[in-house]
Amino acid sequence: DGGITQSPKYLFRKEGQNVTLSCEQNLNHDAMYWYRQDPGQGLRLIYYSQIVNDFQKGDIAEGYSVSREKKESFPLTVTSAQKNPTAFYLCASSQRLNTEAFFGQGTRLTVV
Amino acid sequence: QQQVKQSPQSLIVQKGGISIINCAYENTAFDYFPWYQQFPGKGPALLIAIRPDVSEKKEGRFTISFNKSAKQFSLHIMDSQPGDSATYFCAAGARTGTYKYIFGTGTRLKVLA
Repeated sequence: DGGITQSPKYLFRKEGQNVTLSCEQNLNHDAMYWYRQDPGQGLRLIYYSQIVNDFQKGDIAEGYSVSREKKESFPLTVTSAQKNPTAFYLCASSQRLNTEAFFGQGTRLTVV
Repeated sequence: QQQVKQSPQSLIVQKGGISIINCAYENTAFDYFPWYQQFPGKGPALLIAIRPDVSEKKEGRFTISFNKSAKQFSLHIMDSQPGDSATYFCAAGARTGTYKYIFGTGTRLKVLA
């Protein structure tokens, strides 16, 4: 089945820890995105990548980092610099930038 | 100019009724307007989308109405069913230039049986 796989589904982080969220797609899409979802605030763009080895900051990139070494993979690292990381994180991909985006099932990150 | 304003924040509709969700945008460079449906704990799923060269698009019970001059678009769910209960997001994007894909804040729809 083609699609976007995010893992893990639930993740707990201690204060001061870095954690990495995985996103893999087998849709052969060029563009990939990371969004953060908080209650009542919709989806906010963290980072996006148009092609391999290239990525751009979104609206709320501070405290996050990404890499795009392979077309299929776009991992997101939530660093200790992110002061309020508890949220639902969504990965998406699209054939090209600004075309229909398809989402994964999300990772819920909680700081403990 | 980058906002997409969505209303209402929540909506309760009787089974069989019409659900209407509205969005307004500011940036005239936007030329792609999708709607997403999200169930609790799941990622959003693309429901229906429209481009500004048409004023209406219908897919089954779901219709997008688009008013380019007013910079508004809306989602109509006809014959609403309890299974339609979800959060709906509108979005706006531009096919060219710097990425401008912006989401509304979401509408939580509850359809009563």
